[in-house]
Amino acid sequence: GAGVSQSPRYKVAKRGQDVALRCDPISGHVSLFWYQQALGQGPEFLTYFQNEAQLDKSGLPSDRFFAERPEGSVSTLKIQRTQQEDSAVYLCASSSTGLSNTEAFFGQGTRLTVV
Amino acid sequence: ILNVEQSPQSLHVQEGDSTNFTCSFPSSNFYALHWYRWETAKSPEALFVMTLNGDEKKKGRISATLNTKEGYSYLYIKGSQPEDSATYLCAPNNAGNMLTFGGGTRLMVKP
Repeated sequence: GAGVSQSPRYKVAKRGQDVALRCDPISGHVSLFWYQQALGQGPEFLTYFQNEAQLDKSGLPSDRFFAERPEGSVSTLKIQRTQQEDSAVYLCASSSTGLSNTEAFFGQGTRLTVV
Repeated sequence: ILNVEQSPQSLHVQEGDSTNFTCSFPSSNFYALHWYRWETAKSPEALFVMTLNGDEKKKGRISATLNTKEGYSYLYIKGSQPEDSATYLCAPNNAGNMLTFGGGTRLMVKP
């Protein structure tokens, strides 16, 4: 596809369940980002990949959060033992290069609800 | 953690009104300032990426200015239309490859 694709669009998880969120970036885009957006707030940075290398994971809120991009294209954000505070929209974005002069292209997000 | 503030948080205007929003951010280690428009049920869409102090960019009825020395940017919409209703997000890039988003300005344009 032409844009960034995320799946699933919606996920309801029971507290304690593990979830995996998928991001297909634009083909050829080197940079990939994950953001978390809680209700009423702006997106908050989680982690950044350059190709398959995870260069920054400073935004991951706990060790229950794990992201990978093993072949430098598709990325998966995994949340183990989900908690209610994990309920949010998870946005993925990709960029052809860095962000100092290039826009990021976002997917539609995955809305996670933990019950 | 960067402190990025957007004001107002929300705004209701009539069709045809012109409006503007403010984004303030730390001026140190500045690389770029991004503006995005996020319509409900859609992806955030880039409006502008601005890098130089004094930059002015325009796309149709929407324009933006940038002051990197004092750390602010203004977004202007001339003659608002209902399809302009969205959340407008600004995000400075002060750390190389990370965008720090403000809380957004939610604009609602009434026909």
